[in-house]
Amino acid sequence: ETGVTQSPTHLIKTRGQQVTLRCSSQSGHNTVSWYQQALGQGPQFIFQYYREEENGRGNFPPRFSGLQFPNYSSELNVNALELDDSALYLCASSLDGVWGNQPQHFGDGTRLSIL
Amino acid sequence: GQQVMQIPQYQHVQEGEDFTTYCNSSTTLSNIQWYKQRPGGHPVFLIQLVKSGEVKKQKRLTFQFGEAKKNSSLHITATQTTDVGTYFCAGKINSGYALNFGKGTSLLVTP
Repeated sequence: ETGVTQSPTHLIKTRGQQVTLRCSSQSGHNTVSWYQQALGQGPQFIFQYYREEENGRGNFPPRFSGLQFPNYSSELNVNALELDDSALYLCASSLDGVWGNQPQHFGDGTRLSIL
Repeated sequence: GQQVMQIPQYQHVQEGEDFTTYCNSSTTLSNIQWYKQRPGGHPVFLIQLVKSGEVKKQKRLTFQFGEAKKNSSLHITATQTTDVGTYFCAGKINSGYALNFGKGTSLLVTP
């Protein structure tokens, strides 16, 4: 069984740039959620994708957007990067997680630093 | 912001001592999940509680869900150095999709 994989592991960007983070879900999982984890904080829900559609969103501005592909992999795009966007971005996959009742299986995350 | 509060923020115990972390929500939760994150790692699912008053055990770990489904606790008996990490509760509010994580309790166990 292949677990959740994320790329890249680390990334350094400057303010105003754009970034794309990628996630491959665990085999058999059809739902992907993205979280932002600032240092010393718990993961904060960004949004969730199920059947290639966004079906839930946290308190994040529109410059955070995403995609899910037919193979259930996903991308997180962030435009106009700000210093506060520096964080660990975690992808989690689950099985039929539309209602948030399924365990989240996390990847190792992408550490994004904004200079 | 985070709607699920967790205390304490940090706990330092001697190996063999017990440990408890508490989770509270201002709104009723449909379920609550617990995760453990080792330093430098990612959150790993431990357990899910769904029913009011539910109690579940995993070896030395005991998880409880309050009668009102607004609070939960994780108790570790006789801690070991392998218990080191940050423990997060994550609750889902009935009307939403999001899983709301607490800030976590960081546990340090010294031998």
